[in-house]
Amino acid sequence: QVQLQESGPGLVKPSGTLSLTCAVSGGSISSSNWWSWVRQPPGKGLEWIGEIYHSGSTNYNPSLKSRVTISVDKSKNQFSLKLSSVTAADTAVYYCAKYSSSWYNAFDIWGQGTMVTVSS
Amino acid sequence: QSVLTQPPSVSGAPGQRVTISCTGSSSNIGAGYDVHWYQQLPGTAPKLLIYGNSNRPSGVPDRFSGSKSGTSASLAITGLQAEDEADYYCQSYDSSLWVFGGGTKLTVL
Repeated sequence: QVQLQESGPGLVKPSGTLSLTCAVSGGSISSSNWWSWVRQPPGKGLEWIGEIYHSGSTNYNPSLKSRVTISVDKSKNQFSLKLSSVTAADTAVYYCAKYSSSWYNAFDIWGQGTMVTVSS
Repeated sequence: QSVLTQPPSVSGAPGQRVTISCTGSSSNIGAGYDVHWYQQLPGTAPKLLIYGNSNRPSGVPDRFSGSKSGTSASLAITGLQAEDEADYYCQSYDSSLWVFGGGTKLTVL
């Protein structure tokens, strides 16, 4: 059973860059899955940020595209998120998740989430 | 404003049946894209509850069921239990991005 674990700084200064990593265990990141980032501001709903395939192919939410970069490190079996020029509006719990056609492209596995606060 | 519209809250007594609606449009649900449902207990990550409109992952009780028609989808929960109290989200695809409903808080009275 694949497991996902997010890691990274819990506090980022305004105008800085948020950097998170999602470690994949129990399976290979080179399998037929898309690897995504989803965030949830405190008390609010879920927002899809973007995704990556092991080939390096990416798709991003148009509302965040200019600030987001998602990359994959196959040697470490992990993928990463970078969000630049952050503001307080980017304060949220950040989840990594995966989906595949086997699950009709539903997010079947989620990490536990990591809280990131943007504050000086 | 979410692309998929859900009621902010629903409630029901133990043993009752409740439904949660997810209303979309011709660019998402109405375009034929699948709808998925997630359950989020307080302080935890979302958990896949229904995938592909009406399929249950192993381990999800058959009290939970999903359906889709036209530009809408629904999640039904029968035999309501206290442990069902959670937030529920629908999800689909629209114009090159994955979209979620705003979420529905289920209260078990």
